[in-house]
Amino acid sequence: GENVEQHPSTLSVQEGDSAVIKCTYSDSASNYFPWYKQELGKRPQLIIDIRSNVGEKKDQRIAVTLNKTAKHFSLHITETQPEDSAVYFCAASPISGGYNKLIFGAGTRLAVHP
Amino acid sequence: NAGVMQNPRHLVRRRGQEARLRCSPMKGHSHVYWYRQLPEEGLKFMVYLQKENIIDESGMPKERFSAEFPKEGPSILRIQQVVRGDSAAYFCASSTPDGYEQYFGPGTRLTVT
Repeated sequence: GENVEQHPSTLSVQEGDSAVIKCTYSDSASNYFPWYKQELGKRPQLIIDIRSNVGEKKDQRIAVTLNKTAKHFSLHITETQPEDSAVYFCAASPISGGYNKLIFGAGTRLAVHP
Repeated sequence: NAGVMQNPRHLVRRRGQEARLRCSPMKGHSHVYWYRQLPEEGLKFMVYLQKENIIDESGMPKERFSAEFPKEGPSILRIQQVVRGDSAAYFCASSTPDGYEQYFGPGTRLTVT
């Protein structure tokens, strides 16, 4: 079955710096790659996603890149702010016929220091 | 995503009791997924349902766990004879029929004493 590896497990940056989180997946049939942000005690929130027909997607300070050949994808956060501090999860899924079974990475705890 | 509702938000059960967790998907969403998150861990898929159908329950423990999504009313995740290892946050998520953009509810935090 699908397996998703996520690195690093913790990341500490200064406010204003960039943060990069990387994930690899095993199932070549995976075609949908969302990223979720989870603050302590809260629900996971979808922050950005990318489909396999696109190599890069950007939304303000957040961008995601996908390398299908190497089976890895990355989240880039620029100009980090203290409110970016949270746990970030990547996920992969071979969507087919509306069936979207997300396989999550173990998470990255991001701390942004003022 | 505030439209996905779960209740109760917190549930305390003693070992051997039953736990019932409810999930109402966002309006217009007909697909429901349940995930479990153990403390300090990621989310693990449990089951995928559509109205009156269990599509994939490959992530559900074989015993004590069951799920349903009736024609009327919320989806229910039922855990019989709970044990301490069942203590976790249980999240449901819903999506539109194309399956993209899965939105999560606030979760039910189950504590087994």
